[in-house]
This record gives sequence, structure tokens and C-alpha cells, in this order.
Amino acid sequence: GAGVSQSPSNKVTEKGKDVELRCDPISGHTALYWYRQSLGQGLEFLIYFQGNSAPDKSGLPSDRFSAERTGGSVSTLTIQRTQQEDSAVYLCASSSTGDGDEAFFGQGTRLTVV
Amino acid sequence: AQSVTQLDSQVPVFEEAPVELRCNYSSSVSVYLFWYVQYPNQGLQLLLKYLSGSTLVKGINGFEAEFNKSQTSFHLRKPSVHISDTAEYFCAVSEQEYGNKLVFGAGTILRVKS
Repeated sequence: GAGVSQSPSNKVTEKGKDVELRCDPISGHTALYWYRQSLGQGLEFLIYFQGNSAPDKSGLPSDRFSAERTGGSVSTLTIQRTQQEDSAVYLCASSSTGDGDEAFFGQGTRLTVV
Repeated sequence: AQSVTQLDSQVPVFEEAPVELRCNYSSSVSVYLFWYVQYPNQGLQLLLKYLSGSTLVKGINGFEAEFNKSQTSFHLRKPSVHISDTAEYFCAVSEQEYGNKLVFGAGTILRVKS
């Protein structure tokens, strides 16, 4: 596709369940970012991929959060044993090389934990 | 590690008035600087960026920003705002080293009133 695609667009899950969020970056983009946007909290950095490796995963809030990227393309963010405080919009972005390039954002996945 | 401070969480302004949204950053190395905008119910898009060269950068929709290295600032300005400029604006920084993450400020909501 022409832009960054995220799925699902909305996800409601019960507390304690695991969820997987998917990001399909722009073709050829080597850099991929995950952010979390909570009401009034701005964009919280979660993890950054360069190719398939994650040189910076310092933003993952706990060991319940993990992410992987395969084939230098699609990335999956997994949240295990979800908690209500995980409710937020999860944004994915990609850029050509990550070195001063524009980051293109997806529309996000709105996660609600009930 | 880099960080970004946006000094105002909300800025109300009347239509056709000038506006300045403030951004300060901290980093131990040279940086790239960005402003992104998020219109209501839309994704983030790039307004402008500073990589090198002239410290005054012009972006889309009549916005401009000035990089001030001594004050570690990158304030966003527009001489005359429109109702359609109502949005949330995010300042972001990336350290000038290949493969570095993009870190965002908390955002400033610009409310343009008629």
C-alpha cells in the first residue's frame, strides 16, 4: 500500500487477555517505530527497529510488552495479560532510513481494556 | 539521551493573530528537529524539519520554525492563523547518528477562535 497500515483499527479486550497489534510499513522503509498515545500524554516512544533488529527498546513499559519485525517489513506489538492502563492508541511509523527522514504514521490501533 | 519539552499544553488564539509554539530540547550531540501536526481525528503529518543549513525553516500551511542552537530551541511560528489550524502540534528530535529514534514532546493544542 501507499502508506503505513495498522490493524486492527479498534480492539476491545478483557483485562488479562493477550493482544497483537500489526503494522505494515511503507515498502522499502528500514526504520519502524511504535508509539503509544494516551489522552493528554503525548506520544510515548515504545520501540524502534532498524531492519529486523531493535537497537532501542527502552520505551517498552514492562515485560508484558514485546515486539518483533520479520523480513524487514511487518511488525507485531504484543501485549500480554493486558491491564486497564494499557488502554491507548498505539501508533506505528516508518521512515526510509531513520537518519533525519520524515516518519510516516499509520492511523493507529485504539486499544480498550475492559 | 535526547528529550523534548513543549512549554505550553494549550495555546488559545484569535483568528488572523500570530502564534508561537515553543519547543526546547536536550541532547549531548547534534540533532535533527521536526514539527508534526495532528488534526482532529486524523493521523500525524510532517509540518517541517531542520536537518542542517539555514536555521529558519519553512513548512506547509505558512508555518516556519527557527533553530537556535545556543538556546536549544526550535519554536514554531505563523504570522496569521486560521480556524483550520486548530490541531495538536508535536515537536520531535532525533540525534544525528544513523539509526536513531525519534522522540516527541508532549504536544501543544492550538485552539483558533473566531
